[in-house]
Amino acid sequence: GDSVTQMEGPVTLSEEAFLTINCTYTATGYPSLFWYVQYPGEGLQLLLKATKADDKGSNKGFEATYRKETTSFHLEKGSVQVSDSAVYFCALRPMNRDDKIIFGKGTRLHILP
Amino acid sequence: NAGVTQTPKFRVLKTGQSMTLLCAQDMNHEYMYWYRQDPGMGLRLIHYSVGEGTTAKGEVPDGYNVSRLKKQNFLLGLESAAPSQTSVYFCASRSDLRTGENEQYFGPGTRLTVT
Repeated sequence: GDSVTQMEGPVTLSEEAFLTINCTYTATGYPSLFWYVQYPGEGLQLLLKATKADDKGSNKGFEATYRKETTSFHLEKGSVQVSDSAVYFCALRPMNRDDKIIFGKGTRLHILP
Repeated sequence: NAGVTQTPKFRVLKTGQSMTLLCAQDMNHEYMYWYRQDPGMGLRLIHYSVGEGTTAKGEVPDGYNVSRLKKQNFLLGLESAAPSQTSVYFCASRSDLRTGENEQYFGPGTRLTVT
């Protein structure tokens, strides 16, 4: 079945470091891909999305490119801040399925000042 | 707009007690979802609804029931709570895909402890 695999955390970086959180997926056809972020004590918020191959989603300095050939949607940011400390979830909505989203297990990110 | 709200924010139950979690959204969304979040497990879908009066089972429905009597509300019930249901519960909603929007909006969560 459809699934999402993302790198296990926690990931600890110093402020201004480069961030990559890996995400790969298994799905038929062309699913929609998402990154959600969960700040401490809050619900999930959509960070960025991509709905077709080679699309690049971007928001708040974060980017992810929909790579069909490698079935990947890695999250990147060039210079992280302490305020980026959160849990990041990669997710997909299967093609032709409009009723549910499949989430990865989440990656906790700690940014040290 | 308040978005998605959840009531209560925290609750402690004894094994065997029952309770209902309320989710409300003011965005006129068709789809609503209940998830539970456990350490190392990510988000798991419990039940969902594709419109008023409809419900469907998700990945982990056992021990829970839901109702969607009004479009804006989605209730999650635990008839006989068990310690395995200790978790953080999130509600989410989404508009019909025909509008072109496919983002899920999440509530702030309910932390439930069953002793």
